[in-house]
Amino acid sequence: DQQVKQNSPSLSVQEGRISILNCDYTNSMFDYFLWYKKYPAEGPTFLISISSIKDKNEDGRFTVFLNKSAKHLSLHIVPSQPGDSAVYFCAANVIQGAQKLVFGQGTRLTINP
Amino acid sequence: EPEVTQTPSHQVTQMGQEVILRCVPISNHLYFYWYRQILGQKVEFLVSFYNNEISEKSEIFDDQFSVERPDGSNFTLKIRSTKLEDSAMYFCASSVSRSNQPQHFGDGTRLSIL
Repeated sequence: DQQVKQNSPSLSVQEGRISILNCDYTNSMFDYFLWYKKYPAEGPTFLISISSIKDKNEDGRFTVFLNKSAKHLSLHIVPSQPGDSAVYFCAANVIQGAQKLVFGQGTRLTINP
Repeated sequence: EPEVTQTPSHQVTQMGQEVILRCVPISNHLYFYWYRQILGQKVEFLVSFYNNEISEKSEIFDDQFSVERPDGSNFTLKIRSTKLEDSAMYFCASSVSRSNQPQHFGDGTRLSIL
């Protein structure tokens, strides 16, 4: 099941610079997208979401961009901080359908001092 | 900030034994979920639960699995006769509604089947 894909297993960014994490999806019925952050031995922590009626949502240092025609979303973190080092998961679902989230494989982000 | 709590954090069980994983969702949430993540694989949906009944289940969620909300606060996942391939992290999640609301996850139970 490859409905949500994160093609970069890892990303390394200098502290203070921008981190950009990418996610692609294939199911055109998805209309709600989320990013979660996960530290080892913890559960996924919700970061930010976007519904398909928008193309951008911002919350502090985190911005999510949605390109529906390309079936692509990205998470921008700026400026990146050492505490942002974690695994980031993209997830999607259909608001009026089943409530199951479909997850990507995750991208491990490392912020270097 | 309210959070989803799961117990135990680690459960070791012999193959063929029954196991019950417990979750306390966030108190005003109405929708409850179980997911699992086998080591090195994606987080996968198992089941969603609303108004005391299953609203959706995946093909993984076969007759060996059941869920229950026994007392209005706990939400449990039971695996009747565990198999080696049930070894995984099991995450409970809850959400306040089904529309445009994120699911919030617990820290998981690591289930190890010997």
